[in-house]
Amino acid sequence: AQKVTQAQTEISVVEKEDVTLDCVYETRDTTYYLFWYKQPPSGELVFLIRRNSFDEQNEISGRYSWNFQKSTSSFNFTITASQVVDSAVYFCALSDDYTGANSKLTFGKGITLSVRP
Amino acid sequence: NAGVTQTPKFRVLKTGQSMTLLCAQDMNHEYMYWYRQDPGMGLRLIHYSVGEGTTAKGEVPDGYNVSRLKKQNFLLGLESAAPSQTSVYFCASSWGSYSGNTIYFGEGSWLTVV
Repeated sequence: AQKVTQAQTEISVVEKEDVTLDCVYETRDTTYYLFWYKQPPSGELVFLIRRNSFDEQNEISGRYSWNFQKSTSSFNFTITASQVVDSAVYFCALSDDYTGANSKLTFGKGITLSVRP
Repeated sequence: NAGVTQTPKFRVLKTGQSMTLLCAQDMNHEYMYWYRQDPGMGLRLIHYSVGEGTTAKGEVPDGYNVSRLKKQNFLLGLESAAPSQTSVYFCASSWGSYSGNTIYFGEGSWLTVV
């Protein structure tokens, strides 16, 4: 069965520090997608990135970067030079063909990131 | 630019009362979902629909019913609310069955059962 593990529950950093959020996944499928969502204090879920299982290239978007490694079943998220506005709960999620309705997401439990001024 | 809209945003219920959460999407998406979010649990799928007139159970369906009479709407019902159903409920939608489809979420509905 598919599973997403976010072992870190809470992380606190000082502004401008770099921080990495870990995500480890399990799936039986060879075709799957990984996602990161951000949930700021206001509560909505904001889509950050989607990565398919055939593309192991790392991705960078401004201060955000993602490291996908199939060998370790990990999809880690790094924020460079963190800012107070990055304070949020971050969810990693998995979608694969064994979930029936293929677009269904299996979420990790989330990581609460606090960035102090 | 509405996307996925949920109503109501906040509600307090007494144990045993019933209520319906309404989700509406304007993106012509086939798939719609209801998730619940509890502290330390992430989001868990309650029910989903793969098209108008269809519904299916997710991971935690007990105590809930759903209906998808119109493609754009997905209703979540609590027939007899229990304190264990105190949670934040998220509706979501996506294009279809492709596992790479991005799922778009509503802003959440905070439900307290006392």
